[in-house]
Amino acid sequence: TQLLEQSPQFLSIQEGENLTVYCNSSSVFSSLQWYRQEPGEGPVLLVTVVTGGEVKKLKRLTFQFGDARKDSSLHITAAQPGDTGLYLCAGVLYGGSQGNLIFGKGTKLSVKP
Amino acid sequence: GAVVSQHPSRVICKSGTSVKIECRSLDFQATTMFWYRQFPKQSLMLMATSNEGSKATYEQGVEKDKFLINHASLTLSTLTVTSAHPEDSSFYICSASQPRGLITDTQYFGPGTRLTVL
Repeated sequence: TQLLEQSPQFLSIQEGENLTVYCNSSSVFSSLQWYRQEPGEGPVLLVTVVTGGEVKKLKRLTFQFGDARKDSSLHITAAQPGDTGLYLCAGVLYGGSQGNLIFGKGTKLSVKP
Repeated sequence: GAVVSQHPSRVICKSGTSVKIECRSLDFQATTMFWYRQFPKQSLMLMATSNEGSKATYEQGVEKDKFLINHASLTLSTLTVTSAHPEDSSFYICSASQPRGLITDTQYFGPGTRLTVL
């Protein structure tokens, strides 16, 4: 059973388009993180959200944590080829060990020039 | 930001040999280090958690005698894949943390090690 469901799994868009990636669960998380991973490299942390309803912005990236802390979304505005990569959401279950990060399967984004 | 390195970045070995992978935190003391493996087109799966100076805690289904973990110092953890077989071929990633019991405790990931067992 996948605790964190990410959608879509694959996304291929043209430069300049907007996109949203979703991370959903039936479980409550005390925190949720978004990572970006390049092929052959480790994940790089983009953001951590901890409060229900929280919205964080990182340049053209907007992250939102659901009110019930069961879901999150990543929205990219005016995507660029440099945004290409694997986007992973990961969370710590409410009441779980802070060290136990549960990962989604990832969304592979390809932005074509 | 915190930097974590892994060595080697790639290793190819023959079936039956053992391979050691190092994970170092370069600019902070990591009381806890984590080892993950990632199969192609799959997400990261936690293998084990190690705390400096104590035995590692392995996730269900991970053989502790096959994947030996040592966390002898606050900046170094090693994963040894013993008697490697082709099914052990994978991308192994470590992360390091200096947990303070806070909700914002962060794991910093290494660049990964690609293991290919022939």
